[in-house]
Amino acid sequence: GENVEQHPSTLSVQEGDSAVIKCTYSDSASNYFPWYKQELGKRPQLIIDIRSNVGEKKDQRIAVTLNKTAKHFSLHITETQPEDSAVYFCAASSLSGNNRLAFGKGNQVVVIP
Amino acid sequence: NAGVTQTPKFQVLKTGQSMTLQCAQDMNHNSMYWYRQDPGMGLRLIYYSASEGTTDKGEVPNGYNVSRLNKREFSLRLESAAPSQTSVYFCASSERSSGANVLTFGAGSRLTVL
Repeated sequence: GENVEQHPSTLSVQEGDSAVIKCTYSDSASNYFPWYKQELGKRPQLIIDIRSNVGEKKDQRIAVTLNKTAKHFSLHITETQPEDSAVYFCAASSLSGNNRLAFGKGNQVVVIP
Repeated sequence: NAGVTQTPKFQVLKTGQSMTLQCAQDMNHNSMYWYRQDPGMGLRLIYYSASEGTTDKGEVPNGYNVSRLNKREFSLRLESAAPSQTSVYFCASSERSSGANVLTFGAGSRLTVL
């Protein structure tokens, strides 16, 4: 089945700087790549997603890029703010995998004021 | 519109006891899921139900059973709890749209097995 890995496991950034989290996936048939944000003690929530027919997608301060050849996708957060501190999970799914999402283990992002 | 509601929020069990986690969604989603979250392990799928009347094993099904009672409700049962089942459990539901499987999660249930 699909295997999703995230790097780095923990990332500390100064407020205002950019943060980048990278995920790799194993199944070349995967075609949908969401990112979920989980604040401390809260539920995971979708923040952005990308389909395999698109190379980049932006939503205000966050963006996701996809490199299908290398089988990796990244979350970019610009002008980080304290409320960006959270655990971020990437995931991947494919029709061959019954559209079930395979999640990475998560990245802890800490924004230092 | 409550979304995904799961109960209880907290539970302490002794080894060998049984319990059922309840989950209900009001978004008319076909698919429902149970995940467990442990530190450093991310979200691991226990069981899922692609549609009413079907259930399938996920990554870590041992020690659990599920019931898709109707389209709204999906319960997770621990027949004989073990300390290794101490975790935070999340129920989720989804509806595939244009190839995207967007999950809506419940607030989580923190289970401690002594």
